Amino acid sequence: NAGVTQTPKFQVLKTGQSMTLQCAQDMNHNSMYWYRQDPGMGLRLIYYSASEGTTDKGEVPNGYNVSRLNKREFSLRLESAAPSQTSVYFCASSELTGGEETQYFGPGTRLLVL
Amino acid sequence: RKEVEQDPGPFNVPEGATVAFNCTYSNSASQSFFWYRQDCRKEPKLLMSVYSSGNEDGRFTAQLNRASQYISLLIRDSKLSDSATYLCVVNSRAGSYQLTFGKGTKLSVIP
Repeated sequence: NAGVTQTPKFQVLKTGQSMTLQCAQDMNHNSMYWYRQDPGMGLRLIYYSASEGTTDKGEVPNGYNVSRLNKREFSLRLESAAPSQTSVYFCASSELTGGEETQYFGPGTRLLVL
Repeated sequence: RKEVEQDPGPFNVPEGATVAFNCTYSNSASQSFFWYRQDCRKEPKLLMSVYSSGNEDGRFTAQLNRASQYISLLIRDSKLSDSATYLCVVNSRAGSYQLTFGKGTKLSVIP
């Protein structure tokens, strides 16, 4: 099992460019998440998908859109990148074990917006 | 008050030392509690869940005090490989999937 995979690993964008961050999991999890991690800020939830076909906003959704393409894949799109979106982006998926959600993270995408 | 607060450290300890991290959370209705570990430039990984009765996993002991809204992690006999950032994580919304992460406490174990 690859677990949670993310592409690309690194990306440099110019202000105003668009891009899609890809995420896939092979653990048959229902729930998937997108976070961003900034120095001194900790991980913040951007969007999540409790199940295939549903998506909901998290703490910092502005400037982002998501698509839950199928059970395996959950993509994050930046329509018009801004320097404030420079960050490390983590995708995660989760399973319910013993009544608790355990989240598994992908390796992250490092994004620099110039 | 921030939802989940941790001492950012860094904690620099010698090998073999015992070190304790603390965390406080603001939402008294919080349901689930975890410690995650994050190595430099890597993704967070679940270290252990935290239960009301306290729980232990090898050299790691986690405790929860609901009355004080306080979580702790104790690491005994520190190893060089324990060097990482430890994230306190809380599920503050019953029935939801949203986790709130603390900013993390950095630990460096020194030879």
